[in-house]
Amino acid sequence: EPEVTQTPSHQVTQMGQEVILRCVPISNHLYFYWYRQILGQKVEFLVSFYNNEISEKSEIFDDQFSVERPDGSNFTLKIRSTKLEDSAMYFCASSEAGLAIYNEQFFGPGTRLTVL
Amino acid sequence: QKEVEQNSGPLSVPEGAIASLNCTYSDRGSQSFFWYRQYSGKSPELIMFIYSNGDKEDGRFTAQLNKASQYVSLLIRDSQPSDSATYLCAVKKGTYKYIFGTGTRLKVLA
Repeated sequence: EPEVTQTPSHQVTQMGQEVILRCVPISNHLYFYWYRQILGQKVEFLVSFYNNEISEKSEIFDDQFSVERPDGSNFTLKIRSTKLEDSAMYFCASSEAGLAIYNEQFFGPGTRLTVL
Repeated sequence: QKEVEQNSGPLSVPEGAIASLNCTYSDRGSQSFFWYRQYSGKSPELIMFIYSNGDKEDGRFTAQLNKASQYVSLLIRDSQPSDSATYLCAVKKGTYKYIFGTGTRLKVLA
């Protein structure tokens, strides 16, 4: 069964460093998403991406964040200068359709980011 | 007012009972609603979605939607210990954005 994959599973970084979180969405999916979940808190929408551009972003997704689809398979989230409060689980998701009233998002297993 | 509200629980039910999980949302224009299950340390897993008023059944799960009351619920029949998890309600806002509630932790007691 096709699945969304994410690497690495755990990333430890120093405050102020740049990190890149990687995702491989399901191959025929066209819509991609990043979410974060701080430990013990809710899943928070960061950004959606379609046709090589950002479709929508939340207020969390400020200038320190960027997303990219560098090739036909990878979807990345870059955090330019990490802060302690960026420590969270980051989930990538993809869906086949976006404009439908519903569309099933498939989540990857997540990358746990720890900022020291 | 939170955009999507859920009681954090824990909600404890005995094995074989019906678990009832509730969610309210603030945006009256919301059109589609999703229930996810999340085990500790794992990613959310879609259980079912609903977008029409009324009930939608899938196996042991029934989603109920009342747009007038801005209320969506999930019933789990014949609850099993393996159903113990956090249940997340999510609302599609606009075309590309999804808002999640904080989740309700369910404990099914053997």
